Amino acid sequence: IAGITQAPTSQILAAGRRMTLRCTQDMRHNAMYWYRQDLGLGLRLIHYSNTAGTTGKGEVPDGYSVSRANTDDFPLTLASAVPSQTSVYFCASSPGTGGRSYTFGSGTRLTVV
Amino acid sequence: ILNVEQSPQSLHVQEGDSTNFTCSFPSSNFYALHWYRWETAKSPEALFVMTLNGDEKKKGRISATLNTKEGYSYLYIKGSQPEDSATYLCAFIDTDKLIFGTGTRLQVFP
Repeated sequence: IAGITQAPTSQILAAGRRMTLRCTQDMRHNAMYWYRQDLGLGLRLIHYSNTAGTTGKGEVPDGYSVSRANTDDFPLTLASAVPSQTSVYFCASSPGTGGRSYTFGSGTRLTVV
Repeated sequence: ILNVEQSPQSLHVQEGDSTNFTCSFPSSNFYALHWYRWETAKSPEALFVMTLNGDEKKKGRISATLNTKEGYSYLYIKGSQPEDSATYLCAFIDTDKLIFGTGTRLQVFP
């Protein structure tokens, strides 16, 4: 089934630990995105990639890094997790930028303790 | 980063009522406006992508209009049903990425 796969579904992580959230799509979409969802703040963009080999910063990039080595994968890394990074993380993709709708993954619930 | 505002924040209606929400966005350098429906414990799902001033789109009982000159879009639901209960998000293209509003949470009571 075509779509976006995120892993893990949920994770409890000790503060200071490193963690990579995985995101894979099989739709050959050029653009991919990472958002975090926090109560009252909606979806905020962390990082994005318009095409393989390029990345950009969103609204809340601090403490996160991404890479886009190929079209399908867009991992999000927390180098040293802090409790304020407790959130639900959604990966999304679109065929191109702007005029096409996004497809979202099912989310990763991360708790940093 | 530009601001997208949605109102109201939440709405409670009776089954059969019609309702509407507002999305306000910067009117300069408009490219596209998206609407998504987001049910609890699920992922956001695309409803509409709107690009032209005066655009009107419809999907079943849900429709949306767009005014790019004054910077707003309305989402209408005709004859609300309990299964319409969800958060409705609008999102605005800022350069090449989508910036979301905080959503309108709709609850439809039987």
